[in-house]
Amino acid sequence: NAGVTQTPKFQVLKTGQSMTLQCAQDMNHNSMYWYRQDPGMGLRLIYYSASEGTTDKGEVPNGYNVSRLNKREFSLRLESAAPSQTSVYFCASSDPGLASGDTQYFGPGTRLTVL
Amino acid sequence: RKEVEQDPGPFNVPEGATVAFNCTYSNSASQSFFWYRQDCRKEPKLLMSVYSSGNEDGRFTAQLNRASQYISLLIRDSKLSDSATYLCVVNRPLNDYKLSFGAGTTVTVRA
Repeated sequence: NAGVTQTPKFQVLKTGQSMTLQCAQDMNHNSMYWYRQDPGMGLRLIYYSASEGTTDKGEVPNGYNVSRLNKREFSLRLESAAPSQTSVYFCASSDPGLASGDTQYFGPGTRLTVL
Repeated sequence: RKEVEQDPGPFNVPEGATVAFNCTYSNSASQSFFWYRQDCRKEPKLLMSVYSSGNEDGRFTAQLNRASQYISLLIRDSKLSDSATYLCVVNRPLNDYKLSFGAGTTVTVRA
């Protein structure tokens, strides 16, 4: 099993450009998450999807949109990138139906720089 | 007040030493507690869950103090490979399976 995969690994954008970060998991998990990690701060939740067909805002949703394409895939879109969105983005998944339901498994991250 | 607070360190220790650090959490209703490990420029990985009675996993011991709302992690016989940032993670009650992450404590083990 690959676990959680993310593409791309690195990206440089100019202000105003758009892009989509892709995430897929092969653990048959119901819940998926997008976080951003900035220096000196804990991971902050951008959006999450409790199950296929549902998405909800997290702590810092402004400037982002998401799509839960199917059970495996959860994408994050930046419509008009801003320098404040320079960050490392992690996708994660979990399965609340399991005894270890709170445990989240992370992808390798996307390092995004917005100039 | 942050939901989860950690001493950022760094804790610089020689190989073989014991190092311990805490984190505090603000929501007394939290029920699930974890330590994650994050290597430089890598993703967080679960190190261990923290149970009410405290638990060990090899050289790692985690303790939970609900009354004072803190969690501790102790690493015995430190190895060079223990150098990493350790994230304290707590669930958010009434927010299904959402987690709060501390900013991390950096540990550097030197030869």
